[in-house]
Amino acid sequence: DSGVTQTPKHLITATGQRVTLRCSPRSGDLSVYWYQQSLDQGLQFLIQYYNGEERAKGNILERFSAQQFPDLHSELNLSSLELGDSALYFCASSVTGGFTDTQYFGPGTRLTVL
Amino acid sequence: DAKTTQPPSMDCAEGRAANLPCNHSTISGNEYVYWYRQIHSQGPQYIIHGLKNNETNEMASLIITEDRKSSTLILPHATLRDTAVYYCIVRNIIQGAQKLVFGQGTRLTINP
Repeated sequence: DSGVTQTPKHLITATGQRVTLRCSPRSGDLSVYWYQQSLDQGLQFLIQYYNGEERAKGNILERFSAQQFPDLHSELNLSSLELGDSALYFCASSVTGGFTDTQYFGPGTRLTVL
Repeated sequence: DAKTTQPPSMDCAEGRAANLPCNHSTISGNEYVYWYRQIHSQGPQYIIHGLKNNETNEMASLIITEDRKSSTLILPHATLRDTAVYYCIVRNIIQGAQKLVFGQGTRLTINP
């Protein structure tokens, strides 16, 4: 158990819908990362937040957005969902978000878009 | 970040040492070698990391060659629960982004 929690574990929805994935970092960690793992693309970095501020952006679609709240939990919002958005979404956290920080991953949310 | 090359798959007998190689011939002096593993569809699990010295923790040992162009992750007494995809990742500690760049990894199967 890494100490990172994610809810829900599974999410099934229809195309065109909007969903919110939630992540709580390990106690004391200030930085949160979101990754997407699909069958054809592997594990890909989406976005990073540090203490409420966006710090780095990866291949995140404009339909996707994220935020980190004052209590440090983070939410990833996915809208206008398409079949290709079906994937595992992982959240990771680290202490400071620095280059040598170790990232610890949560168990993931499996999103299925029908 | 430097590119890594790993064999797509490996087998190991239960109770034996599993040695997973990783080639990172373009690694620079500012880059660390990290290892993660992913068991089935669980979240990636941190194993170990190092810069140039060999490292050991309760999970594994990391051997980095003197020229730093390759490394080997060693699981000393593999169990069935070590069956997973193992990712070798090189991270630049000065200029790189904080993101982890995962390749295809090595699918390690531990056989009874």
